[in-house]
Amino acid sequence: KAGVTQTPRYLIKTRGQQVTLSCSPISGHRSVSWYQQTPGQGLQFLFEYFSETQRNKGNFPGRFSGRQFSNSRSEMNVSTLELGDSALYLCASGQRDMNTEAFFGQGTRLTVV
Amino acid sequence: EDQVTQSPEALRLQEGESSSLNCSYTVSGLRGLFWYRQDPGKGPEFLFTLYSAGEEKEKERLKATLTKKESFLHITAPKPEDSATYLCALPRSGNTPLVFGKGTRLSVIA
Repeated sequence: KAGVTQTPRYLIKTRGQQVTLSCSPISGHRSVSWYQQTPGQGLQFLFEYFSETQRNKGNFPGRFSGRQFSNSRSEMNVSTLELGDSALYLCASGQRDMNTEAFFGQGTRLTVV
Repeated sequence: EDQVTQSPEALRLQEGESSSLNCSYTVSGLRGLFWYRQDPGKGPEFLFTLYSAGEEKEKERLKATLTKKESFLHITAPKPEDSATYLCALPRSGNTPLVFGKGTRLSVIA
């Protein structure tokens, strides 16, 4: 059974650019959530999707957006990149909601220069 | 607001030197607690789910236990390959699907 797949693994972008990250959850999982991880802040919640609907959103500016498709794949977009957006972006996949185990992808390492 | 605090922040052990990592939590109603292992630059790897006080789970050299206020991850006779950051998390806290602690960075020296 394939795990959670995130692409790309690494990205280098310039300030002001935008970026799109992709996440394919475990087959059969309909819940996807996104997290930003930085050394100082730990894992911070960005968005949660279930069956193409955004269920919850974390405390991030509107430059951060996301969506989920009918096949449960999810994308997140960051516009007008800032240096502080450099982080490891992680996607987690769950069967229904996060009262059960969530499984993470390998992450996308975004570096903004 | 549900909170998770992990201690110590970092732990350095000699190979074979057993120890425990602590995860203390405050929660309005416990719906479970998760443990993850994370290697540098990679996503967290799921280890255990504990649902009720007194529950224990084991996997190789790791054993997780749960009380009403905290969880412990016991590491018996660790090896260098056990070096990683260990994270605990609470499920479904308000609008947040997972609330994580800051983690314990474990280094096991041969």
